[in-house]
Amino acid sequence: EDKVVQSPLSLVVHEGDTVTLNCSYEVTNFRSLLWYKQEKKAPTFLFMLTSSGIEKKSGRLSSILDKKELFSILNITATQTGDSAVYLCAVEAAGNKLTFGGGTRVLVKP
Amino acid sequence: DTEVTQTPKHLVMGMTNKKSLKCEQHMGHRAMYWYKQKAKKPPELMFVYSYEKLSINESVPSRFSPECPNSSLLNLHLHALQPEDSALYLCASSQAPWSGTEAFFGQGTRLTVV
Repeated sequence: EDKVVQSPLSLVVHEGDTVTLNCSYEVTNFRSLLWYKQEKKAPTFLFMLTSSGIEKKSGRLSSILDKKELFSILNITATQTGDSAVYLCAVEAAGNKLTFGGGTRVLVKP
Repeated sequence: DTEVTQTPKHLVMGMTNKKSLKCEQHMGHRAMYWYKQKAKKPPELMFVYSYEKLSINESVPSRFSPECPNSSLLNLHLHALQPEDSALYLCASSQAPWSGTEAFFGQGTRLTVV
């Protein structure tokens, strides 16, 4: 059975802090790893990672994948209150199957 | 247009009712998905359609019946639901076969079964 585990479950930081979120996975026929941000309803796409060791960056967010050790990290630097959300990691396997981790709830305090 | 549109946004139904959730995308995506999300939990995959054919059914009870009438539309027919089926139902789509692109999610239908 495909498995995606995220840590920590939740964290509270202050504006300006840097956060690092972890995602480890065990899936058959790995295709890609995706990060989503979910605030109220629909998860919104952040990154898709397919190759090991290549950092994807978008503003204050960055992510990297290690296919040998089967994990990914999502970094958020200079956090803002608008970064408060649940961050979901999902792994795409063969057959277009997307399996989500349990999410990390981030609260950024002013 | 990178939108996945779901209707209705909210639905309250009785346990004897029959209702349908609708999902539409015009991105030319050929894989579409239904997910169920309970409060404070991640989305759980229910069904995957690939090229309008059901490719994955994650052992979903038969009171949930998916339908893909064409490549842009995905329905979820509901019948004789239980209160524990109350959840946010998310539709998503992506290119298929796998082409290295992300899945786009709709805003969801919040379903309450009374």
